[in-house]
Amino acid sequence: GQNIDQPTEMTATEGAIVQINCTYQTSGFNGLFWYQQHAGEAPTFLSYNVLDGLEEKGRFSSFLSRSKGYSYLLLKELQMKDSASYLCAVLFNTNAGKSTFGDGTTLTVKP
Amino acid sequence: DGGITQSPKYLFRKEGQNVTLSCEQNLNHDAMYWYRQDPGQGLRLIYYSQIVNDFQKGDIAEGYSVSREKKESFPLTVTSAQKNPTAFYLCASSTESDTQYFGPGTRLTVL
Repeated sequence: GQNIDQPTEMTATEGAIVQINCTYQTSGFNGLFWYQQHAGEAPTFLSYNVLDGLEEKGRFSSFLSRSKGYSYLLLKELQMKDSASYLCAVLFNTNAGKSTFGDGTTLTVKP
Repeated sequence: DGGITQSPKYLFRKEGQNVTLSCEQNLNHDAMYWYRQDPGQGLRLIYYSQIVNDFQKGDIAEGYSVSREKKESFPLTVTSAQKNPTAFYLCASSTESDTQYFGPGTRLTVL
């Protein structure tokens, strides 16, 4: 299948750094997205990786290794407002051009 | 301003009734999607449409129907055949690279 695996929950302290991992099957891989979803709200786009390496965007960075089927989202200088679910979504060329979503990682930031 | 809208935000339905959820976008996107999200879960794809007058079933299409008569609109009907319809419903549209933009969601409760 196209299983996308993320940890269910993570907890971190305000001001710290947290890394949220996502693994997926490599066959047919076309690209990987990260979305942020606050409770009761719609997901919003954070990043898109298609090539290996690290993409930095302010406090958030996303890394991809295509050969390992692995990505992570790195959040620096955590703020209370970063408490949310983080969804990993993978675009496979075998899936008619639509993304497959993981179940998301719920991040709780504590003072 | 460009965006994607859903209405209503909250919807209550009696068992055995059909109900239609609205989704409109003015982003000029060809592709549109409907997802269902249950508490603590990820997004599950109900239906998607990549072009006007064409749509395909997603992973959980049973008990749902859609139409795509206009590029801007992709309404979802939850029929009485859907046995457990209480959920958060999200509509999205996407760019060619499949970056998805989500509407604010409709929370459906069956009484």
